Amino acid sequence: EVQLLESGGGLVQPGGSLRLSCAASGFTFSTYAMSWVRQAPGKGLEWVSGIKSSVGSTYYADSVKGRFTISRDNSKNTVFLQMNSLRAEDTAVYYCAKGRGPESFNELEYWGQGTLVTVSS
Amino acid sequence: QSVLTQPPSVSAAPGQKVTISCSGSSSNIGNNYVSWYQQVPGTAPKLLIYDNNKRPSGIPDRFSGSKSGTSATLGITGLQTGDEADYYCGTWDTSLSAVLFGGGTKLTVL
Repeated sequence: EVQLLESGGGLVQPGGSLRLSCAASGFTFSTYAMSWVRQAPGKGLEWVSGIKSSVGSTYYADSVKGRFTISRDNSKNTVFLQMNSLRAEDTAVYYCAKGRGPESFNELEYWGQGTLVTVSS
Repeated sequence: QSVLTQPPSVSAAPGQKVTISCSGSSSNIGNNYVSWYQQVPGTAPKLLIYDNNKRPSGIPDRFSGSKSGTSATLGITGLQTGDEADYYCGTWDTSLSAVLFGGGTKLTVL
């Protein structure tokens, strides 16, 4: 059974940093692309970032480019999202999601339960 | 405002059929596959359709997808009260090198 478990969310002040983790199990982690998707309170889905399988090519939404960094540790079946220079508008539930293939960012077939990030003073 | 345009809401009676549209451009829907997701409030999204019209295992054939030019459509037949949810289209945008989601459509089964 595929499982994705996010952690690391919480309350942070504007300008601060936070590192999210997503522990994966139930599939061969190194052969699939992974993404982070967020959802602000009462709003729609926004894709944040994606990382391809073993090659590790990374992609970002314009809204987070230069502030967020996605990475993965295939030996620990974990994907990370380092978030710096956080703003109030980054407040959202952050979901980790598994793509259907090694380069699939658009076909997100499994999702975690999400972790809430609140940016406020 | 999302680059992919969806109607904010649709409604229909149980047993009926509904369609949800998603309009984009040549840099996204026009040249890339479209996916559809269902999200019941308070839960994570679920993949319903990928590659424009394919269903993951476990998704009933009441759900269908199609694409024509720069628009895509999700169809749901035999509506059930359990289908009440928010529905999102998604696709890759070649110019942005990023995934785009539509603004979401709230389905009400009257």
